[in-house]
Amino acid sequence: QKEVEQNSGPLSVPEGAIASLNCTYSDRVSQSFFWYRQYSGKSPELIMSIYSNGDKEDGRFTAQLNKASQYVSLLIRDSQPSDSATYLCAVNVDKLIFGTGTRLQVFP
Amino acid sequence: DAGVIQSPRHEVTEMGQEVTLRCKPISGHDYLFWYRQTMMRGLELLIYFNNNVPIDDSGMPEDRFSAKMPNASFSTLKIQPSEPRDSAVYFCASSPGQTYGYTFGSGTRLTVV
Repeated sequence: QKEVEQNSGPLSVPEGAIASLNCTYSDRVSQSFFWYRQYSGKSPELIMSIYSNGDKEDGRFTAQLNKASQYVSLLIRDSQPSDSATYLCAVNVDKLIFGTGTRLQVFP
Repeated sequence: DAGVIQSPRHEVTEMGQEVTLRCKPISGHDYLFWYRQTMMRGLELLIYFNNNVPIDDSGMPEDRFSAKMPNASFSTLKIQPSEPRDSAVYFCASSPGQTYGYTFGSGTRLTVV
């Protein structure tokens, strides 16, 4: 079983819709969780971090964590074409372990 | 701060040659990480340092790979001899602490022909 699993996508949503990205992880001792955005040909960029169960909101982004279910998600409200990128989930187990990413496509 | 600085941005080399990738972390960040990204395997951690000391090199694929951090502002990743399967984007990242997110450099795209 992979340590961090994501659906590779692509996830296609219309402009203005909510995009929902999901991630599951295997190590129960993980304490910190991150979402990165990576545009094609660019480096990963940190967009959200979450450390405790529940929701954390930052602008159009909401991260959700459920440690009992070993599940973390990212919601993007009012999706824009500029949000089209690959979103990487990362889980800290002494070091950051990354999922393979979900490609998001937002069409006008 | 200029962020994490990597050089070169692109490297094309012939099989068997030595390749050296360089990284300057963000000042004050005690942790430095080397990752490799490929389409097939995604982002893989190769090695990381804390206060210039290598902590975990379990991701280094084989003895052909080595990494050093002689001081707090500089690290190298060396591949000798290089092989075509080493072709990938190599990222350096740094962090102020173990539970913080990492800041990535722009990466080095390595092509071994």
